[in-house]
Amino acid sequence: EVQLVESGGGLVQPGGSLRLSCAASGFSFTSFSMNWVRQAPGKGLEWVSYMGISSGPIFYADSVKGRFTISRDNAKNSLYLQMNSLRDEDTAIYYCARIRTGYYFDSWGQGTLVTVSS
Amino acid sequence: QSVLTQPPSVSGAPGQRITISCTGSSSNIGAGYDVHWYQQLPGTAPKCVIYGNNNRPSGVPDRFSGSKSGTSASLAITGLQAEDEADYYCQSYDSSLSGSWVFGGGTKVTVL
Repeated sequence: EVQLVESGGGLVQPGGSLRLSCAASGFSFTSFSMNWVRQAPGKGLEWVSYMGISSGPIFYADSVKGRFTISRDNAKNSLYLQMNSLRDEDTAIYYCARIRTGYYFDSWGQGTLVTVSS
Repeated sequence: QSVLTQPPSVSGAPGQRITISCTGSSSNIGAGYDVHWYQQLPGTAPKCVIYGNNNRPSGVPDRFSGSKSGTSASLAITGLQAEDEADYYCQSYDSSLSGSWVFGGGTKVTVL
């Protein structure tokens, strides 16, 4: 069974940093590209970042470009999101999601909540 | 403002058929990129119910179907059931933005 488990969320002040992790199991992690997708409270889904199989290519949404960095450790079956210069509008549940050929997200984690507030 | 446009809400009685529209543009749906649909029950992660315009993942009831034409797509639910009450999102890829996967704003389905 495919499992994606996010961790690392929490309360952080504006301008602060946080690192999210996603532990993958139940499939060959090295065979899939991975993404982060977020959802602000009461709002819709927003794609955040993509990382290919061998740590490339990498893409970011304009809203996080220059502040967030995606990475992966294939030896640990893990995906990461380093978030710097956090803003109020970054408050959201962050989901780790596997992407399939055809560009759709076929497996999602349960999400981790990031709250940016003073 | 979402790149893909969905109605905020749709409702129907049990057993009825409802449809949810998803309107895009020439840089996403109209460019030939596939449309995918997700169901999000309250307090849970999204789940794919239609991929590649009209394909159902294993385990998704055949009450769910999808279609695409031009710059738009639709999700249909026939024989509406109480358990179908959820938020639904369409998703595609947009070539006008570097590496950008885009979602609709979401549609709340209410079973009357």
